Amino acid sequence: QKEVEQNSGPLSVPEGAIASLNCTYSDRGSQSFFWYRQYSGKSPELIMFIYSNGDKEDGRFTAQLNKASQYVSLLIRDSQPSDSATYLCAVNKGDYKLSFGAGTTVTVRA
Amino acid sequence: DGGITQSPKYLFRKEGQNVTLSCEQNLNHDAMYWYRQDPGQGLRLIYYSQIVNDFQKGDIAEGYSVSREKKESFPLTVTSAQKNPTAFYLCASSIGLTNSPLHFGNGTRLTVT
Repeated sequence: QKEVEQNSGPLSVPEGAIASLNCTYSDRGSQSFFWYRQYSGKSPELIMFIYSNGDKEDGRFTAQLNKASQYVSLLIRDSQPSDSATYLCAVNKGDYKLSFGAGTTVTVRA
Repeated sequence: DGGITQSPKYLFRKEGQNVTLSCEQNLNHDAMYWYRQDPGQGLRLIYYSQIVNDFQKGDIAEGYSVSREKKESFPLTVTSAQKNPTAFYLCASSIGLTNSPLHFGNGTRLTVT
């Protein structure tokens, strides 16, 4: 079982719609959770992090964490063509390292 | 502006040659990391360092070596022992506290033929 699993996609959504990305993790002791966006050929950039159960909103992005079910999700509201990218879920087990999922590719159709 | 600089952006080498990738940061971060990214496999940790003169192996350290002689610098050497060195290499840093996020450099794309 992989430490962090994501649907690879591609996830195709029309412009203005909500994109919903899911991530599950295997270590119940994981403490912090991160979403990175990676454009093709570029390096990952941090867009959200969440430590506690519940929702965390930042602009058009909402991260949701459910530790009991061991999943974390990212919602992108009012999706724009500029949101087309690969989204990486990363999990920290309470040490100095992050474990990454393989990423979900999102395509926003104009 | 503070950031992480990786050089070069593209690197081409012949099989059997060692090659060193540069990573410098001016964020005053204590911790630095090297990840490797292959298509469809996400990021895999090669080495990381929490303080100067100390570093630990990650999940795929075989065929790689690092040094951390200065806080700002964490070069990665890809040796001839690395069986599949062609990949996108990402250097990252963090403030070094538990659960702190990573910030990435722009990456070096290494091609070995």
